[in-house]
Amino acid sequence: EPEVTQTPSHQVTQMGQEVILRCVPISNHLYFYWYRQILGQKVEFLVSFYNNEISEKSEIFDDQFSVERPDGSNFTLKIRSTKLEDSAMYFCASSAPGREQYFGPGTRLTVT
Amino acid sequence: SQQGEEDPQALSIQEGENATMNCSYKTSINNLQWYRQNSGRGLVHLILIRSNEREKHSGRLRVTLDTSKKSSSLLITASRAADTASYFCATDPNNAGNMLTFGGGTRLMVKP
Repeated sequence: EPEVTQTPSHQVTQMGQEVILRCVPISNHLYFYWYRQILGQKVEFLVSFYNNEISEKSEIFDDQFSVERPDGSNFTLKIRSTKLEDSAMYFCASSAPGREQYFGPGTRLTVT
Repeated sequence: SQQGEEDPQALSIQEGENATMNCSYKTSINNLQWYRQNSGRGLVHLILIRSNEREKHSGRLRVTLDTSKKSSSLLITASRAADTASYFCATDPNNAGNMLTFGGGTRLMVKP
């Protein structure tokens, strides 16, 4: 069964550093998403991406964040200058139009 | 309450019993989805129910949707220890590949 994959599974970085989180969505899906979950809190939407552009973003997704689909398979989330409060589990998801979203296993980001 | 709030926050039952979790939301939706999350792991999609549907089944899972009350319920019948996880409802406002809004989840513990 196809699945969403994410790398790395755990990323430790120092405050102020740039990080890139990588995702490979399910191959025939057209919509891609990033969510995050701070420990013990709700899953929060960050951004959705369709047809090579952002279709929706939340207030969390400020100028420090960017997304890219550099080739036909990868979908990345970049945080330019990490803050302590960016520590969270980051989930990538993908979906077909009007269908359920499939989530990857997540990348645990720890900012020290 | 916020969009997609689950009730109860925690539920402990014996193996074999049924577990019912409820979700309330505030805004209009196109569909509502239920997800399961094992501790520290990714989100697994369980069921999607559309706004024009009232009930849906999948194996031991039964989901209902009452759009007049803006509420949904997830029933797990004949629970097993392996059902121990957190369960989240997520609302999709317009079925166009946009953001899901997650609730805080119900932590279900099934004792053997």
